[in-house]
Formats: sequence, structure tokens, C-alpha cells
Amino acid sequence: GAVVSQHPSRVICKSGTSVKIECRSLDFQATTMFWYRQFPKQSLMLMATSNEGSKATYEQGVEKDKFLINHASLTLSTLTVTSAHPEDSSFYICSGTGDALGNTIYFGEGSWLTVV
Amino acid sequence: AQSVTQLDSQVPVFEEAPVELRCNYSSSVSVYLFWYVQYPNQGLQLLLKYLSGSTLVKGINGFEAEFNKSQTSFHLRKPSVHISDTAEYFCAVKGGSEKLVFGKGTKLTVNP
Repeated sequence: GAVVSQHPSRVICKSGTSVKIECRSLDFQATTMFWYRQFPKQSLMLMATSNEGSKATYEQGVEKDKFLINHASLTLSTLTVTSAHPEDSSFYICSGTGDALGNTIYFGEGSWLTVV
Repeated sequence: AQSVTQLDSQVPVFEEAPVELRCNYSSSVSVYLFWYVQYPNQGLQLLLKYLSGSTLVKGINGFEAEFNKSQTSFHLRKPSVHISDTAEYFCAVKGGSEKLVFGKGTKLTVNP
């Protein structure tokens, strides 16, 4: 099946710094990518939807200036957590789809962010 | 808008026993239904999906699910579980071009 790769799988950063997480579709063109946040023992919370070449659409309550999403190519989307705080520590998961209805969605392996 | 309810947050079961993980949904439009599995510290892997056609859907790892429109359910079943099936299972629903909505997850623990 199609593969979506996230990097890094784990990252630790200091409070106040920015950190970037990459999401790559390895064998398909991801016209739409999604970024989720997952707190321990909880479900996935959709943060934003990005279409290649367009600005991301953020879900209510998600700060667009804090969580910068770029989807500049059909195989790469990035999430940058700016001015990170300990409460931003979480598991971030991306997914991508290349079909028009978005019914075939592939998930990345996730990235653990710890802000100290 | 769509919503998903996974009725059991935790399901313990013995190895080789059958298991059913329950999922109910609500939607005002036709839906597509999915089950994903998440192993510890990993992303999500698609187990199976219902888009149309036969209401009994077979997926990977011996899992299957049945779409019941009248009961708005999409329960996941496996006739005989293995230790390796221990994981978190998420039911998800999508209405047309709407976003994928996840349930809160069911932690399946298979004991020897």
C-alpha cells in the first residue's frame, strides 16, 4: 500500500523555539494532506487540512500562527510549531490522500514532540 | 455533521476468543465508514472500509465489519484473536467530501 513517511519520529525542543515536522507521500501524489494531534489515550483531533499549493484550512480553536502548515508540493507537507510551549507536547500525525473524494487516506507513523 | 460513538473504551479478551468492537455513527448524509488500528507509538493503519456494495466488509488480519444502515452501526469482529491484535482501534466516518471524523477509540487487550 501507499506509504506516508513522517520525520522526525521523535523530537525534543526547548520552550520558545520552533520545530518542523515533515510529512512525505512516498509513492502517490497527495493532493490533500491532514494534520492531527493526539493526546495520550485519546482520539485524533484534526488540526488542519491542506491542499497542495493552497493555504491550509484550520479547524476551530487551532492557532494558525502557531501551527504553520505548508503544502508546497504533491509529496511534501510540513507542520511548524512556532514558539513551542510544554503544552504543545503531543503526538502529531499526518495523513494524505490523492483521490478526489478522499476516501483512500494513508497515515504517517506519527511524530512525538516534547517541549522542555 | 457526522459523529462516531465507540461504545467500549476498553475490551479485554483471551487469546483465540472472538471479539466485537462496537461502533455507531450519526449522519444526515450517506457515509463512508472506516476502521483503523494503532499500535503503541505508531500511526494509524487501515483495517477495512465500507464505501458501497456488500455490507459485510473483510479487511486485513482476519477482521471484518458489517454495515447496518438501520441501526447506524459498523461493528468490527474477529473470530479468533491473537496476542498481536492488542492495540487501539478507531472507527471513523466520512460523509461525502466532508472530513474524516474519529471515534474515541477502543483499546483491545488480548490476554494469554
